[in-house]
Amino acid sequence: AQSVSQHNHHVILSEAASLELGCNYSYGGTVNLFWYVQYPGQHLQLLLKYFSGDPLVKGIKGFEAEFIKSKFSFNLRKPSVQWSDTAEYFCAVTASGGYNKLIFGAGTRLAVHP
Amino acid sequence: EAGVVQSPRYKIIEKKQPVAFWCNPISGHNTLYWYRQNLGQGPELLIRYENEEAVDDSQLPKDRFSAERLKGVDSTLKIQPAELGDSAVYLCASSPRDTVSGTDTQYFGPGTRLTVL
Repeated sequence: AQSVSQHNHHVILSEAASLELGCNYSYGGTVNLFWYVQYPGQHLQLLLKYFSGDPLVKGIKGFEAEFIKSKFSFNLRKPSVQWSDTAEYFCAVTASGGYNKLIFGAGTRLAVHP
Repeated sequence: EAGVVQSPRYKIIEKKQPVAFWCNPISGHNTLYWYRQNLGQGPELLIRYENEEAVDDSQLPKDRFSAERLKGVDSTLKIQPAELGDSAVYLCASSPRDTVSGTDTQYFGPGTRLTVL
């Protein structure tokens, strides 16, 4: 069965610091990968996604993620965080090809201090 | 474009009472999902509809949970009777079919936070 592991449950950063949130998945086949974000009081929103092609994916608000197949990883990065990036971030994976269930990680709660 | 609409946003009930959640997906999205998100965890799929057909309900606790999607648009998720462990956020999502890759990107509603006392 597929699973997703997010290494950090809570991350605290100061503004302008660099961010990297870890995400590892377990599945031997081809996958589609997603990062969702949930800002305080708001609904889950798609940040970025990887289906195929360039393993470095750029999303909204300056976020990017790199798919490293050999490491089963899809880490999220941002070079300089802002206070408005305070949110909970969820990594999700689904096996590609037809319909497959979307499996979420437990989430990482990011707090950015001014 | 209007997003996924859910109601109510919050619901507090006593155990053994029934409760229902409503979802209106994004216009034109044929696929609809119900998820449950427990505190400190990611969403977990309960049921998925393709139009009005439930094509994946393997994770739905059928002894107390039921869902319907009449006419392939709006959907209702019901719990009867509710138990203390049902306290969670219930999320609805919908998706179009990505015609390029054949994969779906899911768009989520705001959720209903259920508290069972």
